[in-house]
Amino acid sequence: QQQVKQSPQSLIVQKGGISIINCAYENTAFDYFPWYQQFPGKGPALLIAIRPDVSEKKEGRFTISFNKSAKQFSLHIMDSQPGDSATYFCAASNSGANNLFFGTGTRLTVIP
Amino acid sequence: EAGVAQSPRYKIIEKRQSVAFWCNPISGHATLYWYQQILGQGPKLLIQFQNNGVVDDSQLPKDRFSAERLKGVDSTLKIQPAKLEDSAVYLCASSLDWLQGEKLFFGSGTQLSVL
Repeated sequence: QQQVKQSPQSLIVQKGGISIINCAYENTAFDYFPWYQQFPGKGPALLIAIRPDVSEKKEGRFTISFNKSAKQFSLHIMDSQPGDSATYFCAASNSGANNLFFGTGTRLTVIP
Repeated sequence: EAGVAQSPRYKIIEKRQSVAFWCNPISGHATLYWYQQILGQGPKLLIQFQNNGVVDDSQLPKDRFSAERLKGVDSTLKIQPAKLEDSAVYLCASSLDWLQGEKLFFGSGTQLSVL
């Protein structure tokens, strides 16, 4: 059973546009929701994370929106750049970095 | 700051053979994780160590997979015998401490192909 469902599977955005990736979860015990960015041939790297006591967190061009009642959270990349082209994974856990459940990933391509 | 080191980078074996992967976490990180990432999927946790003790190995196929972290620093993951479905990237990650750490630092992984 997939603990975290992620969509879309792939996304193509023009340079300067907004990229939006969505995730949904079922386990209400989850209290930590990170997003990881992975470039080909590299391991995932933490991009941004949120806990459910806030509905939004922004770091530079990256924003997480969190909807606790709907059990959904999303990543918004503003002013998308070709260098943002990578695979993005959402994840969730009920104990920080321990036992993270990852989504299936979204392959983002930003066209110049 | 040196990152998580893994070797080898690639490994090709035939089914029923054995294989081992090595990981050296970031210095001072007490918690070490092994993840399996099958092509087109997200990483899946196999085993988690806190120092040299196992915290969680509930998703490790123990009939063929084993892992150790004898001195609480580097770790080895072994598969014996390998099956075709074990073809994946094996990622090692570390964090500061399992109670306080939130950020996982991943290595570049070992890509395993089982023929």
